[in-house]
Amino acid sequence: LAKTTQPISMDSYEGQEVNITCSHNNIATNDYITWYQQFPSQGPRFIIQGYKTKVTNEVASLFIPADRKSSTLSLPRVSLSDTAVYYCLRYAGNNRKLIWGLGTSLAVNP
Amino acid sequence: NAGVTQTPKFQVLKTGQSMTLQCAQDMNHEYMSWYRQDPGMGLRLIHYSVGAGITDQGEVPNGYNVSRSTTEDFPLRLLSAAPSQTSVYFCASSPQGGANYGYTFGSGTRLTVV
Repeated sequence: LAKTTQPISMDSYEGQEVNITCSHNNIATNDYITWYQQFPSQGPRFIIQGYKTKVTNEVASLFIPADRKSSTLSLPRVSLSDTAVYYCLRYAGNNRKLIWGLGTSLAVNP
Repeated sequence: NAGVTQTPKFQVLKTGQSMTLQCAQDMNHEYMSWYRQDPGMGLRLIHYSVGAGITDQGEVPNGYNVSRSTTEDFPLRLLSAAPSQTSVYFCASSPQGGANYGYTFGSGTRLTVV
């Protein structure tokens, strides 16, 4: 199963909007796109999940275009506490498996 | 607090020793799984279970056994520890119909095999 591709690292500043783009060219019809956040020495934490178009919750927004070959996680007005690794995953809906990529290490600077 | 509890948090084993990593959840989740996380390789699925009495292999099952006698518990057994099993291990769970729910992860077990 093809994994997702995302930038290895990103830098930002407090108060800025951060957009992390993920590529998933071979996404299957039954797959969802899921994003997780991980802090050092902790387990990953679910952020948001979507199938198509736009999904928004209290933490982030997820944009998935019609062809579903990429997606963008948007974090509004980041703070220092948003410094973490962000994983873009394919969630295989037919067998409930998470296909992990290598993650994007986001550093938020003061 | 409800969630996924993993024990121990840290463990050092000698090559050839066996041990069991414990995972328990109190959310009545049907699905449970074990991952290992290694630098540069992301998270890899070891074993998973879709309900009590049902287990299946993931991406890297060799050297590990699991069982699911209750909904709450999903222990991971290392049969004969090897240095290649040095890693951070995470247990995760989700309710039925996981497409609309995220997975809840434990805080991890850092295992070193010498």
